[in-house]
Amino acid sequence: EIVMTQSPATLSASPGERATVSCRASHSVSSNLAWYHQRPGQAPRLLMYDASTRATGIAARFSGSGSGTEFTLTISSLQSEDFGVYYCQQYTLWPRTFGQGTKVESK
Amino acid sequence: EVHLVESGGDLVQPGGSLRLSCVGSGFTVSSNYMSWVRQAPGKGLEWLSVIYTGDRTQYADSVRGRFTISGDSSKNTLYLQMDRLRPEDTAIYYCARDAGPGGYFGYWGQGTLVTVSS
Repeated sequence: EIVMTQSPATLSASPGERATVSCRASHSVSSNLAWYHQRPGQAPRLLMYDASTRATGIAARFSGSGSGTEFTLTISSLQSEDFGVYYCQQYTLWPRTFGQGTKVESK
Repeated sequence: EVHLVESGGDLVQPGGSLRLSCVGSGFTVSSNYMSWVRQAPGKGLEWLSVIYTGDRTQYADSVRGRFTISGDSSKNTLYLQMDRLRPEDTAIYYCARDAGPGGYFGYWGQGTLVTVSS
C-alpha cells in the first residue's frame, strides 16, 4: 500500500495570504495524484488531478505541482470559501490511498 | 447533471449487517468506476472498494471479506453489503464516481451515516 503523508497538519492563514500544502508518497505515483477540498458537513470536492490539472470550475488561484513522490498544492490568495480540509490521493495502485488531511484555518 | 444519493445508513449492533445503496442519475452506474469511501467522525478519508467493467472489484484490507460491493444496472444503483460490522466501522459512507479515465473521484454523494454500537 502506498502511504500518503501531508504537511502541515494545520495551517493558519489570513484571507489574501498564500497557502501551501505538501503531500509525500511512500513510493512513486508518477503524476497520478489528486487533491480534494472538504468543508465541514460536506462531501469532498475534486480540485486537481494528474498533479497539476484543475478540475472543472476550480478557480485559477489553485495550482498543483510535483511528480514521483513529492507534491504541492498552492492557493495563491486565500478566500473565505477556501478554509477547510485538503486531502491528497494517489491513483497509481490499489488500494487508492489518501493523505491524512491538512486543515486550513483562519488566523 | 451527475447526481449520487446514498441511503441505508443506520445504528447497528457489533456483528450485525447493513446494506447501503447509492442511486445514480445523469449517467450509467455500470459504465463507470464506482467506489465507496468512508470518513470516521473527525477523521480523514478512507477508500474501501471499487467496482468496474461490470463485475471487477477491489477492496481495502480493512474490509476485504466483510464488505461486498455490487451494482444493479436495472436500478442504476450501487450497493455495499456490510457484514460482521465493528465499532470502528462507524463513519459517514460516501459513494463516488471516477472522473474521466479513472482513479480520482470527480463526483460524490452526500454520504450516509453508519453507527456501530451496542
